[in-house]
Amino acid sequence: GAGVSQSPSNKVTEKGKDVELRCDPISGHTALYWYRQSLGQGLEFLIYFQGNSAPDKSGLPSDRFSAERTGGSVSTLTIQRTQQEDSAVYLCASRSRQGVTEAFFGQGTRLTVV
Amino acid sequence: AQSVTQLGSHVSVSEGALVLLRCNYSSSVPPYLFWYVQYPNQGLQLLLKYTTGATLVKGINGFEAEFKKSETSFHLTKPSAHMSDAAEYFCAVSPLGGSQGNLIFGKGTKLSVKP
Repeated sequence: GAGVSQSPSNKVTEKGKDVELRCDPISGHTALYWYRQSLGQGLEFLIYFQGNSAPDKSGLPSDRFSAERTGGSVSTLTIQRTQQEDSAVYLCASRSRQGVTEAFFGQGTRLTVV
Repeated sequence: AQSVTQLGSHVSVSEGALVLLRCNYSSSVPPYLFWYVQYPNQGLQLLLKYTTGATLVKGINGFEAEFKKSETSFHLTKPSAHMSDAAEYFCAVSPLGGSQGNLIFGKGTKLSVKP
């Protein structure tokens, strides 16, 4: 695709429910990142995928959070048993292997846990 | 571990005044450095990046940044602020460059421009 696509753009869920957030990276980009943006907290790194290597999960805040990337392309971030503090904008970015490049961001998914 | 510190979560300047947004990083080797901008209700877009070569980097909208290895800094400047520059600015570091490394962001600096 032309850019990084995230869906849904907005999600309202009840506390305790599971949610899945989807990211379609730019075609051919081998690196994919998930970040969480909360008010006053900047961009909090969650997880990083690079090609077929094991993902860097060091930023996941708890075991309720998980992510996978199928076929080296689409990624899904899953939050189980959502809590109110999970409310934030979840951003996905992708990056090319070719040369030194910047990451391209999607528009994000705004998650509200009520 | 890599880290990025942006001094000042909020900066306010008058229109026409100098903009200076500070960014310091911690890294055992010179990293690649980026500045991103996020306008209200929009996604992040790249302003400029430092990889190798010239340490003074020019970006879009009249912004520039200088990589100073001795100070581990990559401050963002613009000689004359415009109302349209009001946004949140994020500094980021990539330890290995390319797609080989993680991309760590600072907490951001919100820039306000007064008329």
